Amino acid sequence: DMKVTQMPRYLIKRMGENVLLECGQDMSHETMYWYRQDPGLGLQLIYISYDVDSNSEGDIPKGYRVSRKKREHFSLILDSAKTNQTSVYFCASSEGDEQYFGPGTRLTVL
Amino acid sequence: GDSVTQTEGLVTLTKGLPVMLNCTYQTTYSPFLFWYVQHLNEAPKLLLKSSTDNKRTEHQGFYATLHKSSSSFHLQKSSVQLSDSALYFCALRNMGYKLTFGTGTSLLVDP
Repeated sequence: DMKVTQMPRYLIKRMGENVLLECGQDMSHETMYWYRQDPGLGLQLIYISYDVDSNSEGDIPKGYRVSRKKREHFSLILDSAKTNQTSVYFCASSEGDEQYFGPGTRLTVL
Repeated sequence: GDSVTQTEGLVTLTKGLPVMLNCTYQTTYSPFLFWYVQHLNEAPKLLLKSSTDNKRTEHQGFYATLHKSSSSFHLQKSSVQLSDSALYFCALRNMGYKLTFGTGTSLLVDP
């Protein structure tokens, strides 16, 4: 069964703290993504990774960075989190046309 | 650049009625359109996809037809069920496996 996992599922941080969101997939997919979802805005692409150490900015990369050192693992890092980064973050992986999404991480920055 | 427009933010219907959720797009490339469904507190999942002009695609009772002449890919179902209550996203594939999502339409089905 194809699976994308995300940790943690819920996270509360204070403004200025660093945040690490982790994503894993067991399908050996080359391409992985990080999105954020906000009410009324849909899913917005933060970063896309085409394979290990092959990352590309999405539509809203400012304030975020990513790391992909293993094909099955893709991390999203927020250095000095801001309150406007409060959101639900989804990781996804794809092979061919379909993207498979993880369960999401709800991040609150106070 | 590429864009996807979903005009309805919320659609409320009674069980058993038909539904159409609108999706239009703009792109300079050959269009490949998707519908994703997201139930409450769950991950989005692929519902339908198409890149073939004027061909109806169906899955789980939902159907859509890509019309390149009108740049549309509306999602339809002939009889909605309570379990269809969810958030529906239309998406357009760009170059490099990126998807551009619409803002989503919440479908709420009443008993």
